[in-house]
Amino acid sequence: KAGVTQTPRYLIKTRGQQVTLSCSPISGHRSVSWYQQTPGQGLQFLFEYFSETQRNKGNFPGRFSGRQFSNSRSEMNVSTLELGDSALYLCASSLGATGVGETQYFGPGTRLLVL
Amino acid sequence: AQKVTQAQTEISVVEKEDVTLDCVYETRDTTYYLFWYKQPPSGELVFLIRRNSFDEQNEISGRYSWNFQKSTSSFNFTITASQVVDSAVYFCALIEGSGSRLTFGEGTQLTVNP
Repeated sequence: KAGVTQTPRYLIKTRGQQVTLSCSPISGHRSVSWYQQTPGQGLQFLFEYFSETQRNKGNFPGRFSGRQFSNSRSEMNVSTLELGDSALYLCASSLGATGVGETQYFGPGTRLLVL
Repeated sequence: AQKVTQAQTEISVVEKEDVTLDCVYETRDTTYYLFWYKQPPSGELVFLIRRNSFDEQNEISGRYSWNFQKSTSSFNFTITASQVVDSAVYFCALIEGSGSRLTFGEGTQLTVNP
């Protein structure tokens, strides 16, 4: 079974621009979660989608948004980029059936650099 | 609120040594789930183990073993006879109650030298 895939793997943007990251979950997985990893803040939860609906949300500003499609693929968008948004963005998928304590499998991440 | 603490920021050992990575967690829920992930330099988080709060049995998988103790709120990870390929950052994480959000510790950078 193919793992979680994320595109693109690397991105360079400038302040004020917007960016869209994509994630394809493991086949059969219906839940997709997004995490941000920075040296200063560590790994932080952004949001989770299940059946095209946001099921859970972390403590990030509204510039961070996401969506999920009917095939469970997910995208996250960051608008009006700031230098502090430079990070590794990790997507994880899980079965999603119970939404409780499920194992999440991670993709390789998208490394975003904001100049 | 939940919290995971990995007090060891960096550990350096010589190949074939045993090494234990510590993890202490805080939660008010009686139902919770604990995880360990490995992050090699490539960046991908690799799942290692999941335990729920009702199962305190220790687990062994090859050279890896985990010691879950509710009395001390700890979930420690031991690598026996470490190898250079074990070099990575290891994260302990927690999901509380009826949720699905992973709360991660700060991570421990393990370096195994030949």
